[in-house]
Order: sequence, then C-alpha cells, then structure tokens
Amino acid sequence: LAKTTQPPSMEAYEGQEVNVSCSHTNIATSEYIYWYRQVPHQGPQFIIQGYKDYVVNEVASLFISADRKLSTLSLPWVSLRDAAVYYCIVTDIGNNAGAKLTFGGGTRLTVRP
Amino acid sequence: EAAVTQSPRNKVAVTGGKVTLSCNQTNNHNNMYWYRQDTGHGLRLIHYSYGAGSTEKGDIPDGYKASRPSQENFSLILELATPSQTSVYFCASGGTTGGTEVFFGKGTRLTVV
Repeated sequence: LAKTTQPPSMEAYEGQEVNVSCSHTNIATSEYIYWYRQVPHQGPQFIIQGYKDYVVNEVASLFISADRKLSTLSLPWVSLRDAAVYYCIVTDIGNNAGAKLTFGGGTRLTVRP
Repeated sequence: EAAVTQSPRNKVAVTGGKVTLSCNQTNNHNNMYWYRQDTGHGLRLIHYSYGAGSTEKGDIPDGYKASRPSQENFSLILELATPSQTSVYFCASGGTTGGTEVFFGKGTRLTVV
C-alpha cells in the first residue's frame, strides 16, 4: 500500500491559487489517487480523483506527474470556505473491490482574508 | 444526491456497556466503511463491507464488531466500551468500480465515561 507525504500546513490569502503537493513514490500501477477535504465537524468530502495526466472538475484540478510519483491539487481563487484539511490518498481498487481509503495527516490550509 | 446518514450523532456511554452505531446509505453502493478519527489525526479504518452479509477487518478492528444486514445498513458494535474508544466515528459508502467516489456521513461523537 503506497504511502503519501504532504506538507502539514499551508497558508494563502483569499483569491489566490493554492497548489497542494503530494508525494507517493511507491504508488502501484493498480492504485488511484484521491483528494478529499475535511472541515471541522464534518466528514471528508471528495474533491477529485485521477490515475494519470491531468484531471479537472468544477472544484479543482489535479496534475499527476508522468511517473505518477507526485500529484498536485490546484484550487483556483480560494475563499475562506476552502479552509480545511486536505488529504491525498492512494488506494488499490483491487479487482473491482472498491476504494479502501487510508488517511494520512493531511495538509491544513489556512485562508486569510 | 448521495447520502450517508449516521445515528446517533452524539452518544455518551458507560465503560463496559454495549454501544451500537448505525449507518444508512441511499446510494445503492456495495461497499461501506467505518472509520474513527481522534482529535488532530486522520481517519483510521475499523471495519468495512463489500455487501450485505459481509464484514472485513480494517486496520484497527480490535474491540469492535460490524454487521451488514442489508445493502443499505451497516452497524458498528462496541460490546464492552472503554474510554479509549472515545472518538468521532464516520461511516462511508462507495462503489466497486475503479475511481469511484466514497461518500462520508457527518459523524458520530462517542464519549465513553
């Protein structure tokens, strides 16, 4: 099971673009990359997932390096509501068994007005 | 919208007592999960299930049992609650195909006194 390494904390001002990096040097070919975020007193919320290259949705974009050992979550124009802990997770779907997410410490994003 | 509902949302239990945490999902997902989160830490997987009648041990199963009587319902059972099981518990559901999102409930805060 691949492990991930993220910066423990980041700070940004409202309106800035934020890039959160995640290293997963031992990622296996069968593993996907998920990003979740969690605000206080709530369960984690899915942001985006990918396997390779570049993925974008209405909330964020995800860049995955060619060797898949590094991914970067990009949040455009952050607001105070984006203050949360961001988790990068890699998981083996494993023969259609579904994702069994293993959470690390995450990156705590502080957004200043 | 995908929904995972946990009950109760808050629970105070006595040491040695039996506690049952309930989870219901309306997503028609095969997979369901129970996690616990201690203050300042990421989520840790206790038990999970691939479908009705199945339960699997996660990373920290000791002291917990799980029950999946139907596709929609997944319970976490503490037969003999201890103060070390004081935590916030999250239930989640997810599909089985690659890259499928996992949805989390709002959590149950359990205090064992």
